[in-house]
Amino acid sequence: QKEVEQNSGPLSVPEGAIASLNCTYSDRVSQSFFWYRQYSGKSPELIMSIYSNGDKEDGRFTAQLNKASQYVSLLIRDSQPSDSATYLCAVLVAEDSGYALNFGKGTSLLVTP
Amino acid sequence: DGGITQSPKYLFRKEGQNVTLSCEQNLNHDAMYWYRQDPGQGLRLIYYSQIVNDFQKGDIAEGYSVSREKKESFPLTVTSAQKNPTAFYLCASKQNLQNTEAFFGQGTRLTVV
Repeated sequence: QKEVEQNSGPLSVPEGAIASLNCTYSDRVSQSFFWYRQYSGKSPELIMSIYSNGDKEDGRFTAQLNKASQYVSLLIRDSQPSDSATYLCAVLVAEDSGYALNFGKGTSLLVTP
Repeated sequence: DGGITQSPKYLFRKEGQNVTLSCEQNLNHDAMYWYRQDPGQGLRLIYYSQIVNDFQKGDIAEGYSVSREKKESFPLTVTSAQKNPTAFYLCASKQNLQNTEAFFGQGTRLTVV
């Protein structure tokens, strides 16, 4: 099994602060990385995707990838109470038969007013 | 509208019965995935399929079966061999390319009574 590890949290940050979410993965051939947000009882929705080393910014969100360290992170600037959710890290792994998309257990984020 | 449709949203099953969960997409995606999510847990891969008439086992395939007779459809059968079937089941689809995102249906919550 290809491992995707996340700290389960909860991670609590005050409104307006930066939230930092981390993810490590075990498979060195992994090439594509995704962050999903999931509200309780709902299905995951895509927040960010990143495919090459470095930073990728989209509004208040920045994804960072370091393939040498097998590490991907998500920064949320100016955190809002509506950002309170579980954040899932996903890693696409090439198998002989296609691409398997593996998820971590998620980090619960709580933004306090 | 384009998207992924899972049905039903809620499903109740008696112990010892097989039940089939529906997943249909009109996004022209080649790849489709089934996941199981237990309370407070991440997504665990059950089965995935890259093309019609072909599918692969994920990490927790025991007690489940799938078919992929049409590109648009990837139904999941939860058999009586699955000992703890109560869970939230999520279907996803994506283009069969490395750097593309997966999109989810709204999920089916299965309860064994």
